[in-house]
Amino acid sequence: SQQGEEDPQALSIQEGENATMNCSYKTSINNLQWYRQNSGRGLVHLILIRSNEREKHSGRLRVTLDTSKKSSSLLITASRAADTASYFCATGEKEGAQKLVFGQGTRLTINP
Amino acid sequence: EAGVAQSPRYKIIEKRQSVAFWCNPISGHATLYWYQQILGQGPKLLIQFQNNGVVDDSQLPKDRFSAERLKGVDSTLKIQPAKLEDSAVYLCASRFASGNTIYFGEGSWLTVV
Repeated sequence: SQQGEEDPQALSIQEGENATMNCSYKTSINNLQWYRQNSGRGLVHLILIRSNEREKHSGRLRVTLDTSKKSSSLLITASRAADTASYFCATGEKEGAQKLVFGQGTRLTINP
Repeated sequence: EAGVAQSPRYKIIEKRQSVAFWCNPISGHATLYWYQQILGQGPKLLIQFQNNGVVDDSQLPKDRFSAERLKGVDSTLKIQPAKLEDSAVYLCASRFASGNTIYFGEGSWLTVV
């Protein structure tokens, strides 16, 4: 069964704009991760945020986590055409010895 | 550093036939996963190995799917007999035993006709 649910399912914006994707989950977690998948390729890890963290940055990526609402958001600033991909959140229940449960993903299209 | 290797990349078979996918994880990664990703959906865990032992196979359809990792390195996922609904990408992934980040291969695309 899927743990996370991303919202929106699809997002189309102009290059240079910011893109925000949301993820909601159901059970308690140790960490939440975001992955990117280009069409026809495997998934690539973007960023991990632990349950005791509220915000994390990596380059143009900003992730927030609200454990009280069981939700997370991924913000991509100054989007580029190369950011066109599907983005998945995944939750890990335990530190180190875990299985990741993925959501359905958000399909992001950046228009030049 | 070499990534997770998978083969074949693409396979088309008729229903009721069998197919096998092979995965070579990143060197030193004790944990290996097989995920199934149906078009338009997120990856669903089929089986998780820790070295050569199964950690979780609760979502593996055991009547037709089997997987092994006999020497704790390479792994094989087999489907026999295949059904139309098995058409999907089969993703292999690996992780250091104590790490949190999972590294994925490019996937093996299966079409059952």
